Amino acid sequence: EPEVTQTPSHQVTQMGQEVILRCVPISNHLYFYWYRQILGQKVEFLVSFYNNEISEKSEIFDDQFSVERPDGSNFTLKIRSTKLEDSAMYFCASRGQTGNTGELFFGEGSRLTVL
Amino acid sequence: RKEVEQDPGPFNVPEGATVAFNCTYSNSASQSFFWYRQDCRKEPKLLMSVYSSGNEDGRFTAQLNRASQYISLLIRDSKLSDSATYLCVVKRRNNDMRFGAGTRLTVKP
Repeated sequence: EPEVTQTPSHQVTQMGQEVILRCVPISNHLYFYWYRQILGQKVEFLVSFYNNEISEKSEIFDDQFSVERPDGSNFTLKIRSTKLEDSAMYFCASRGQTGNTGELFFGEGSRLTVL
Repeated sequence: RKEVEQDPGPFNVPEGATVAFNCTYSNSASQSFFWYRQDCRKEPKLLMSVYSSGNEDGRFTAQLNRASQYISLLIRDSKLSDSATYLCVVKRRNNDMRFGAGTRLTVKP
């Protein structure tokens, strides 16, 4: 069964460092998303990406965040200068269909710990 | 007001019980509705879509009331394996998917 894969599964970094989280969505999917979940809290929307551009972003997704789909397969989330409060599980998700149907498939997540 | 609001929980029920979760959404232009399940420290996974006419999948029944902007999930004959967090998810017109905070269910022997 096709799946969304994310790397790394866990990254520990120092505050102020840049972090890149990588995702390989399901190959024929059209819509790509990043969500984050701080431990014990809700799944929060960060950004959605369609047709090679950001379609929407939340208030969390400030200038420190960026996304890219550099080669048609990878979908990356970059945090330029990490803060302690960026520590969370980051989930990549993809969806194939337009219209009202279409299951959102999640990767297993990348846990980011900022020290 | 949050875009998607759910019962805060937690719900602690015995095996075999029937339990119901509620969810309300604020954006009347929302198009599609789903229930996802998230196990501890795992990714969310689709449990079921919610259709306007209501739909059932085994022990699970989902209902949608567009006029009241209300979605529900009913679990009958609950099993230990139903213990998880249940997430109400709403798809907006622009195809973005927004999550409720989730309701934690613990089914006890």
